[in-house]
Amino acid sequence: QKEVEQNSGPLSVPEGAIASLNCTYSDRGSQSFFWYRQYSGKSPELIMSIYSNGDKEDGRFTAQLNKASQYVSLLIRDSQPSDSATYLCAVNPDLNTGFQKLVFGTGTRLLVSP
Amino acid sequence: EAGVTQSPTHLIKTRGQQVTLRCSPISGHTSVYWYQQALGLGLQFLLWYDEGEERNRGNFPPRFSGRQFPNYSSELNVNALELEDSALYLCASSRRSGGNTDTQYFGPGTRLTVL
Repeated sequence: QKEVEQNSGPLSVPEGAIASLNCTYSDRGSQSFFWYRQYSGKSPELIMSIYSNGDKEDGRFTAQLNKASQYVSLLIRDSQPSDSATYLCAVNPDLNTGFQKLVFGTGTRLLVSP
Repeated sequence: EAGVTQSPTHLIKTRGQQVTLRCSPISGHTSVYWYQQALGLGLQFLLWYDEGEERNRGNFPPRFSGRQFPNYSSELNVNALELEDSALYLCASSRRSGGNTDTQYFGPGTRLTVL
């Protein structure tokens, strides 16, 4: 089982719709979770971080975390064509060791059509 | 605030050669991380440096190595290049708070092509 799993997509949504991106992780002890956006040929750009169960909102983006279900999601409201990119879910699985590394999913490609 | 910088932008090498990639972290960040993103694959963790020491290493052979300098900049060295080393090499930096919540910010990457 992969440590971090995402549907590769593409997820196609019309402009103005809500895009819902999902991610599951295998390490139950994971404590920190991140969503990055990566445009083709570019480096990942941090969108959101979340550490506690529940929702965290930042502008058009909402991250949702459910540790019991080992599930993280990212909602993008009022999707724009400029949101078309690959969204990477990243998890820091090393609890209490102090070791820092991010384990990434393979990403979900989002396509927002005008 | 300047972001993470990496050099060079692109590199073309042949099999068996050695390469050095460079990274400068965001000012105030002491941790530097290296990741490999091969075509069609996800980002794979390579190395983590903090305060000049290698703190964690991913599942890569010893020919991948690096170091961190007193100014917190870092080098990644890859010896005996193989075709499958062709990838985008990404450097990230973070503050070091001591917990597991340090946010990593990525540089633009170095694209390495091995022929």
